Amino acid sequence: AQRVTQPEKLLSVFKGAPVELKCNYSYSGSPELFWYVQYSRQRLQLLLRHISRESIKGFTADLNKGETSFHLKKPFAQEEDSAMYYCALSGRMDSSYNLIFGSGTRLLVRP
Amino acid sequence: GAGVSQTPSNKVTEKGKYVELRCDPISGHTALYWYRQSLGQGPEFLIYFQGTGAADDSGLPNDRFFAVRPEGSVSTLKIQRTERGDSAVYLCASSLSGRGGRTEAFFGQGTRLTVV
Repeated sequence: AQRVTQPEKLLSVFKGAPVELKCNYSYSGSPELFWYVQYSRQRLQLLLRHISRESIKGFTADLNKGETSFHLKKPFAQEEDSAMYYCALSGRMDSSYNLIFGSGTRLLVRP
Repeated sequence: GAGVSQTPSNKVTEKGKYVELRCDPISGHTALYWYRQSLGQGPEFLIYFQGTGAADDSGLPNDRFFAVRPEGSVSTLKIQRTERGDSAVYLCASSLSGRGGRTEAFFGQGTRLTVV
């Protein structure tokens, strides 16, 4: 079955600390993986996708097919990073539709 | 320019009633998606339109749910005989195309549906 698991509902860190938001997936083919972010009172927006291999707002994520993981990392958290983060996969490469989302992790960065 | 617009932002209805939720995608976006997000969960895919046609409606939970996009722009999600379990935030998203690049999905603010 296709599934995305985010084991942590809440991750609380202090400003300047490293952050790792965990994401594991289950999919039989070659999925495309995404991270979406939702800041307070704002709409869901794309943060990054694995095929782009970009660093956005200091965040990076590497697809590990052996561990079926796509963890989101940032070396030094900022207060403005506080938000809800969703990992998602698409079973069709280079496509955004039929995204399968995890249940999300709330990141709280304390001053 | 305007992003994806969804109306109403909030809808309270009685069990058994019919509701319509509207989505105005970003101008020029041919692909449109509906998702449903229950409390404490991530969004769940409902249906995907490419132009006027529903390219994939495999996420619609049952035949009480139906969506249209008659002119390839605005879409309406219709729910008949609403049940309390239909209470959720309904999200709409659009992208320039469904595949082959330019596929980033832009989400609306959602419609919070409450069935009492």
